[in-house]
Amino acid sequence: KAGVTQTPRYLIKTRGQQVTLSCSPISGHRSVSWYQQTPGQGLQFLFEYFSETQRNKGNFPGRFSGRQFSNSRSEMNVSTLELGDSALYLCASSSSRGANTGELFFGEGSRLTVL
Amino acid sequence: DAKTTQPPSMDCAEGRAANLPCNHSTISGNEYVYWYRQIHSQGPQYIIHGLKNNETNEMASLIITEDRKSSTLILPHATLRDTAVYYCIVRVNNAGNMLTFGGGTRLMVKP
Repeated sequence: KAGVTQTPRYLIKTRGQQVTLSCSPISGHRSVSWYQQTPGQGLQFLFEYFSETQRNKGNFPGRFSGRQFSNSRSEMNVSTLELGDSALYLCASSSSRGANTGELFFGEGSRLTVL
Repeated sequence: DAKTTQPPSMDCAEGRAANLPCNHSTISGNEYVYWYRQIHSQGPQYIIHGLKNNETNEMASLIITEDRKSSTLILPHATLRDTAVYYCIVRVNNAGNMLTFGGGTRLMVKP
């Protein structure tokens, strides 16, 4: 069974640009969430989607947005990039049971560098 | 969600048991204890979770004190591949995919 797939794995952008990251969950998983990991702030929850609806949102500015498609694949977008957005962006998926029990499966992440 | 306190780092000899403590003195009755780990350059990996009874799976054992104010994750025979940051998380069940990660414990398994 394939794991959570995130693309691209690495990317470099400049300030002011926007970026879109993609996440394909484990087959059959309908819950997808996104996390940001930085050396200073650690792992922080961005948002969660279930059946194309945003279910929870973390404390991030509106420049951070996401969506989920009918096949459960998800994308997140960051507009007007700032230097502080440089981070590892992690996607996690779970089954309906896993979403209740906290058993999440994480991808390897997309490492974004903003210059 | 209740806050957790973990030592920032620990060492363990290869082949010995690694005992990672976590303090969660403000845990509520409906909050579970979860453990995840993150090996360098990878996404976090779920290990185990429990409410009040001790739990064991193929990866580890979770010991929760009777008052539930602290817990210990036990890796019975640590290997070099267990070198990682271990996160103790407390949250209610049915909370979807939202986890609040703290600083974790950086476990170094040494030969």
